[in-house]
This record gives sequence, structure tokens and C-alpha cells, in this order.
Amino acid sequence: NAGVTQTPKFQVLKTGQSMTLQCAQDMNHEYMSWYRQDPGMGLRLIHYSVGAGITDQGEVPNGYNVSRSTTEDFPLRLLSAAPSQTSVYFCASRANYGYTFGSGTRLTVV
Amino acid sequence: AQRVTQPEKLLSVFKGAPVELKCNYSYSGSPELFWYVQYSRQRLQLLLRHISRESIKGFTADLNKGETSFHLKKPFAQEEDSAMYYCALNYGGSQGNLIFGKGTKLSVKP
Repeated sequence: NAGVTQTPKFQVLKTGQSMTLQCAQDMNHEYMSWYRQDPGMGLRLIHYSVGAGITDQGEVPNGYNVSRSTTEDFPLRLLSAAPSQTSVYFCASRANYGYTFGSGTRLTVV
Repeated sequence: AQRVTQPEKLLSVFKGAPVELKCNYSYSGSPELFWYVQYSRQRLQLLLRHISRESIKGFTADLNKGETSFHLKKPFAQEEDSAMYYCALNYGGSQGNLIFGKGTKLSVKP
């Protein structure tokens, strides 16, 4: 039982490049979500999903896309990276006792 | 609208002193509240959930609906308690999203 796994741990992108941040969980949780963490801002919700085939926007969805084809995976796509997307990204899933977070992806856009 | 407020960005105490990290929330429904801890550059770890009423690592938190508060307390701080602490509110039930406060950095001095 690996919990919530995120890859990569670090990434540097050039402005305009695209990439996908991976998130996988092996706990059969229906609910998954993506947050970004910025200094002084706490964590802000980007997108979330309550099950395979169901996604919705959070507080800061612009510039990001998601899909949920399986219960296990919830990738986050940056279509055209911008310096404002420099951040630490966390994926989370929901268990009965609370939310479990991945170890994060530190993204820098130059 | 729902909101979580952590009024202190930084809290600095000496080892052995009592600690209280403040959290106030705004939500018209029945809240589900959490405290998460993040040690340097690591994932968020669940510290407390208001329903469980447990004591984890010596920390406790009581939900006060009248004052809409969920303050985190520890009678005797330890150096290893130094970390970032986030208060979070789930406003959507078992498939709901978390809204975070901006966090309080606790520094415990020897």
C-alpha cells in the first residue's frame, strides 16, 4: 500500500512547454484532488474528481486540465506553462479518516 | 462563503512552553475540520480531525461552534514540533473539498 504517489518530484519547464504531473493512489479512493502551494497563500484547490469520469474545477483552474479515466490515476496537465505556475503541487485522495497527500511536485517555469 | 483564517503567520516559543495555534472558520453548515502539519519540504500529514477527538504528538484541538474556532494546543512544546501547521475545512461532506488557511509557521527554540 503505497498511498498517494506523485511523479516527478522536481521539474523545470520553459515558458510555453507542456507537461503532465502524475498522481496515483492504490487505496481505491473515489475522491482525488490537486492543490498548489505558494508562499503566504496556503494551499489552493485546482481541480478535483469524485470518481472515474467525473472532474470539476476548484478555486484556481485556469491553465490546467485534468481527466480521470481510472479510479487510481488523476493526472494534471499544463498545456502551455507560464512563470505564474511556478509552485509546489500536491495531489490528495480522501479516506474515511481524512485526506491523504502525496509528497509533491516542485515545478519551476522559466 | 466558507473561509479559514489563521491569524498568525509565525509563532515562536521556547521549548517547554505552551503552544496555541489559532484557527477560525466561516461556514454556514456543519463543519469538518482538520489540522495538518508539514515538516520542511515534506508532504502534509494529518495531525487531527475534530471528530476523532484524539491527541496526536501531544496536540489537541476542540471545535467551538459558538466561536467558530478550532485552535490547536500543546502544553509543552518540543523542538521537533517546529513545522508549518495548516487548518483546513471540508465543506462538502464525504466527497467534499478542503479549504485551507494560509498556515502558521511554528518555531520552537531550545
